[in-house]
Amino acid sequence: QSVLTQPPSVSGAPGQRVIIACTGSSSNIGAGYDVHWYQQLPGTAPKLLIYGDVNRPSGVPDRFSGSKSGTSASLAITGLQAEDEADYYCQSYDSGLSAYVFGSGTKVTVL
Amino acid sequence: QVHLVESGGGVVQPGRSLRLSCAASGFNFGTFGMHWVRQAPGKGLEWVAVIWYDGINKDYARSVKGRFIISRDNSKNTLYLQMNSLRAEDTGVYYCARDKEQALDFWGQGTLVTVSS
Repeated sequence: QSVLTQPPSVSGAPGQRVIIACTGSSSNIGAGYDVHWYQQLPGTAPKLLIYGDVNRPSGVPDRFSGSKSGTSASLAITGLQAEDEADYYCQSYDSGLSAYVFGSGTKVTVL
Repeated sequence: QVHLVESGGGVVQPGRSLRLSCAASGFNFGTFGMHWVRQAPGKGLEWVAVIWYDGINKDYARSVKGRFIISRDNSKNTLYLQMNSLRAEDTGVYYCARDKEQALDFWGQGTLVTVSS
């Protein structure tokens, strides 16, 4: 069971906006630790999508955005495209576990 | 450009050992922390271990603490994971990744470890 909880799946039509929530607790997101997001396309290694809650690495389209409030964080994908079909994971640090933690993962389907 | 290449995976019997390597290039290896992350077949990502740039400070997931050892050789730009007392639940793809302010900014392609009799 993951320390960070994500919905198993979300879906949307091309061009729509989808949001993936990542729910933590007072020992990780709520403690102020940064949240990072990764995209994993089928059969490939994960790729950093958002770091430090809201920042995009070079080359990541601005259709992807991150936010954080309290013990939760969110990843928004606007203008959904077929190539966005992938698994998405949030990640933070947990002081109670003294460990890095990943969310349970969300599969995004483009209808 | 940053390049990470894992090796050393394979099929191993329960209770045996295996050592993974991760060859790094394209950046100053000795100034970055490094992680191992694994993914069981059809499952999500699980953080395994981290080692700080100097090789002194290390942290482990509870599931591997006491069985796995992370290490590095900065003179060879290589990260290692010594896996002992392997169990079936250790099966999966093992990725090495570079740390940047607690985010994992670059990942290798992974190496598959299968623990089976």
